[in-house]
Amino acid sequence: QKEVEQDPGPLSVPEGAIVSLNCTYSNSAFQYFMWYRQYSRKGPELLMYTYSSGNKEDGRFTAQVDKSSKYISLFIRDSQPSDSATYLCAGGGATNKLIFGTGTLLAVQP
Amino acid sequence: DAGITQSPRHKVTETGTPVTLRCHQTENHRYMYWYRQDPGHGLRLIHYSYGVKDTDKGEVSDGYSVSRSKTEDFLLTLESATSSQTSVYFCAINSGTGTDTQYFGPGTRLTVL
Repeated sequence: QKEVEQDPGPLSVPEGAIVSLNCTYSNSAFQYFMWYRQYSRKGPELLMYTYSSGNKEDGRFTAQVDKSSKYISLFIRDSQPSDSATYLCAGGGATNKLIFGTGTLLAVQP
Repeated sequence: DAGITQSPRHKVTETGTPVTLRCHQTENHRYMYWYRQDPGHGLRLIHYSYGVKDTDKGEVSDGYSVSRSKTEDFLLTLESATSSQTSVYFCAINSGTGTDTQYFGPGTRLTVL
């Protein structure tokens, strides 16, 4: 079993839809959780960072962590074609190393 | 931009040849990482460094070596390239202040024929 599991998709939604991307993890030592966005042929860019449980909102993006169920989510409101990318979740726990999910490919259709 | 460059950006080489990839940062961050990214596997850690001359292995270190003689440069060497090392290689940096936040370079696309 991988430490971070993520549905690879692809996920296709119409423009304006609410998108829900999800990961599960198995390592109880994880304290930090990140979402990265990766456009085709580019490096991953940090999108959201969350410490421990709870929600964090940044514009159209909301990251949610439920440590009791080891579940992390990213919600995108009013999705745009420019949101089409691969989204990577990751967890870390004071080791200065991150464990990544395999990524979910999202396509937002205009 | 996080101030990370990688060189070369693309490389085609033959099986059995040595290859060195370079990562350069301008952030003076303590931690540097090398990952490879392959379909179905996501990002996998090859080696990382926590200071000049301080390095450690990651999940997929076999066939790779690294060196860090200066804070700003982290080199990844494939001693004798194999076709299984065809991949996209990413460098990342982390300030090491405890948040685990990593910032990535643009990647190097390596093809081993």
